[in-house]
Amino acid sequence: KNEVEQSPQNLTAQEGEFITINCSYSVGISALHWLQQHPGGGIVSLFMLSSGKKKHGRLIATINIQEKHSSLHITASHPRDSAVYICAVSARRGGATNKLIFGTGTLLAVQP
Amino acid sequence: GAGVSQSPSNKVTEKGKDVELRCDPISGHTALYWYRQSLGQGLEFLIYFQGNSAPDKSGLPSDRFSAERTGGSVSTLTIQRTQQEDSAVYLCASSLHEGLGGTSGGTDTQYFGPGTRLTVL
Repeated sequence: KNEVEQSPQNLTAQEGEFITINCSYSVGISALHWLQQHPGGGIVSLFMLSSGKKKHGRLIATINIQEKHSSLHITASHPRDSAVYICAVSARRGGATNKLIFGTGTLLAVQP
Repeated sequence: GAGVSQSPSNKVTEKGKDVELRCDPISGHTALYWYRQSLGQGLEFLIYFQGNSAPDKSGLPSDRFSAERTGGSVSTLTIQRTQQEDSAVYLCASSLHEGLGGTSGGTDTQYFGPGTRLTVL
């Protein structure tokens, strides 16, 4: 079983729809990251959070530490939101690195 | 300001040859990470640098892989005797610092470079 699980793997939505991508993890973490990767493009960090909720524009990320679960929401989705969304965690290991452990990603396609 | 840069952007090589991949982190970032993104494996950690030292090399897949960092800045990832399974996109990321302090509990946002696409024929 992967340490970071995402669902769904693929998601197709109509423009304007509210989108939710889920992430569950099984290790102790110091932070959880949501990343975005456009086709053929680089990786951009959207959020880093260790508790509660963060909002940036139409994007909202929440985390529940007790349940080891995070969600990424996109409100009023647009075709330009089409990308792979990757959940990653910085595992909490005493004195060790904050290397990222990645989920397999969610491929989002928003149709006009 | 300049982000993380990597070179070359694409590299095609023959099986058995050595390759060097370069990463220029954001100026002032002391932490540097190498990751690999391949079709079958997704994204995986390779090695981490804090300054010029590499306290975590746990992700290097074999002794054909090595990396160094000089002057607390530029890093090179070297793959010797390349194999077809080494074909992947190699990503570098940097962050301001890595340590057990600060409001984020020692975790900083990592800024990714555009990657080097390596194809081993």
